[in-house]
Amino acid sequence: EAQVTQNPRYLITVTGKKLTVTCSQNMNHEYMSWYRQDPGLGLRQIYYSMNVEVTDKGDVPEGYKVSRKEKRNFPLILESPSPNQTSLYFCASSLQGRGYTEAFFGQGTRLTVV
Amino acid sequence: AQKVTQAQTEISVVEKEDVTLDCVYETRDTTYYLFWYKQPPSGELVFLIRRNSFDEQNEISGRYSWNFQKSTSSFNFTITASQVVDSAVYFCALSESSNDYKLSFGAGTTVTVRA
Repeated sequence: EAQVTQNPRYLITVTGKKLTVTCSQNMNHEYMSWYRQDPGLGLRQIYYSMNVEVTDKGDVPEGYKVSRKEKRNFPLILESPSPNQTSLYFCASSLQGRGYTEAFFGQGTRLTVV
Repeated sequence: AQKVTQAQTEISVVEKEDVTLDCVYETRDTTYYLFWYKQPPSGELVFLIRRNSFDEQNEISGRYSWNFQKSTSSFNFTITASQVVDSAVYFCALSESSNDYKLSFGAGTTVTVRA
């Protein structure tokens, strides 16, 4: 089954404790991205990757890091989480960028930073 | 500036009523793509439709229909004869040729269908 898998689904952590949210897709998609969803703001892009070893900032990259060492994986790293990073996070992948194909989203990761 | 505006924050209807969700977008590009996604209470995002800027033909898929009007920069979504299972948050999104890799989302419209 074609899917984007995020882990964990739920996470409560304390300020400053490094964490990683994993994302994996099994569709051989080149393009992957991370979004955060906040009430009243919709989804905003954090980082995206056009292919292995190629990443770039989205609209709200501060406080986040990413890496793309393999085509299927695109982890999101919070080196020192803060309460304002409490949000619902989505990983997405698509065959291509540029809107040519639709994006497939993971199930979401609800992160709470206390 | 907000590229996609969904002015309706919440809509509540009774089952079998029709409901129209408004989406107004802003872009200077001639080539762009518009999307609608559904987010049911379970939280996942479900792709509904993709439309490119050169195809203004309206589309119908079962009880769902979409009205794309470039003249008013709108891409509205109508659910006909709504059902309780249609209760969800619906997002409109824009992908511009000048910004190849980003989906710009609207704030979303929460639709509640009451039995």
